[in-house]
Amino acid sequence: GENVEQHPSTLSVQEGDSAVIKCTYSDSASNYFPWYKQELGKGPQLIIDIRSNVGEKKDQRIAVTLNKTAKHFSLHITETQPEDSAVYFCAGVSNYQLIWGAGTKLIIKP
Amino acid sequence: DSGVTQTPKHLITATGQRVTLRCSPRSGDLSVYWYQQSLDQGLQFLIQYYNGEERAKGNILERFSAQQFPDLHSELNLSSLELGDSALYFCASSVAEQTNTGELFFGEGSRLTVL
Repeated sequence: GENVEQHPSTLSVQEGDSAVIKCTYSDSASNYFPWYKQELGKGPQLIIDIRSNVGEKKDQRIAVTLNKTAKHFSLHITETQPEDSAVYFCAGVSNYQLIWGAGTKLIIKP
Repeated sequence: DSGVTQTPKHLITATGQRVTLRCSPRSGDLSVYWYQQSLDQGLQFLIQYYNGEERAKGNILERFSAQQFPDLHSELNLSSLELGDSALYFCASSVAEQTNTGELFFGEGSRLTVL
């Protein structure tokens, strides 16, 4: 079955710098890769997603890249701000179910 | 506000007891998912219902059960509670039957503490 590995588990960056979180997946049939952000005390919220027929997708300061050959996808956040502090989860799909990464705690240092 | 309502927000109970967590999905959403999140852990998928029928099962213990009612709200029943069941339980909903077709909308969770 599908396995999604996410790295790093914790990422600390200076405010204004960029942050990159990486995920690898095992099921080559996986065709949908969402990223969710979980703020303290709240449920996860979708921030961006990408499908397997696209290599990159951007939404303002957030971008996701997908390398199907290498089976990895990454979340890029530019010009980080304090409100970016949260736990970020990647996911892949296997047998029509989301398979979640373990999460990355992003800390933005002032 | 995601539109998904979970009750109660907090619950404290003793080992061996039984609790019921309730979820009202977003208006129009037919799928309901239950997830468990232990302290500093990821999201563990428990079970999915679509339009009243069980659609998929994850790592749900036999002591746990769920159902989705005709009005589409769902309940997660946890019995013979153990200390290790202490966690945040999230409900999510979506329009589609399959999770690779779009966004899941999560509630704010029910925090269960078993003493």
